[in-house]
Amino acid sequence: KQEVTQIPAALSVPEGENLVLNCSFTDSAIYNLQWFRQDPGKGLTSLLLIQSSQREQTSGRLNASLDKSSGRSTLYIAASQPGDSATYLCAVSPGANNLFFGTGTRLTVIP
Amino acid sequence: NAGVTQTPKFQVLKTGQSMTLQCAQDMNHEYMSWYRQDPGMGLRLIHYSVGAGITDQGEVPNGYNVSRSTTEDFPLRLLSAAPSQTSVYFCASSYGQGKEETQYFGPGTRLLVL
Repeated sequence: KQEVTQIPAALSVPEGENLVLNCSFTDSAIYNLQWFRQDPGKGLTSLLLIQSSQREQTSGRLNASLDKSSGRSTLYIAASQPGDSATYLCAVSPGANNLFFGTGTRLTVIP
Repeated sequence: NAGVTQTPKFQVLKTGQSMTLQCAQDMNHEYMSWYRQDPGMGLRLIHYSVGAGITDQGEVPNGYNVSRSTTEDFPLRLLSAAPSQTSVYFCASSYGQGKEETQYFGPGTRLLVL
């Protein structure tokens, strides 16, 4: 069974700092990997999707990388802002868009 | 587009009661799914559907039923609620099953079973 791990569980950084969130998964046979953002009491918002054949995806200040062979992905956030404070979830899809989620990293950006 | 909508937002049930969590999407998505989110465990797939009339079980299907009579709606039924079903439930949809398909999530239903 696919296991997805996210480290650290929580992270606090001062505004303006660049940061990296980590995700690892046990089975490299994946369709794609997605990073989501979840605000307290809210649903999930998709940030980036990396297909299994891709190495990275970028959207604004966000950059996600994928190393399928080693079972790792990172989400890089540049010049962090207080509005980036949220829980970030990593999910992998073995196919048919069924997702296996990590438990998330709770990010706090301090003004 | 309203996207993915879920009702109710919050519900309290007594053990043994039944209820239906509603999910609807207006994006003409073929694929829909239900997840539950519990502290320390991440989201887990309950049931999913790849199109009207087709459903299948996910990782934690016991205690839940689903049906998909239309493309737009995918209700989740709890036949006899148990305290272990206390959780936050999310519905998701996507256009297809391709590698490039992003999933869209609803705002969630918080369920408390006493």
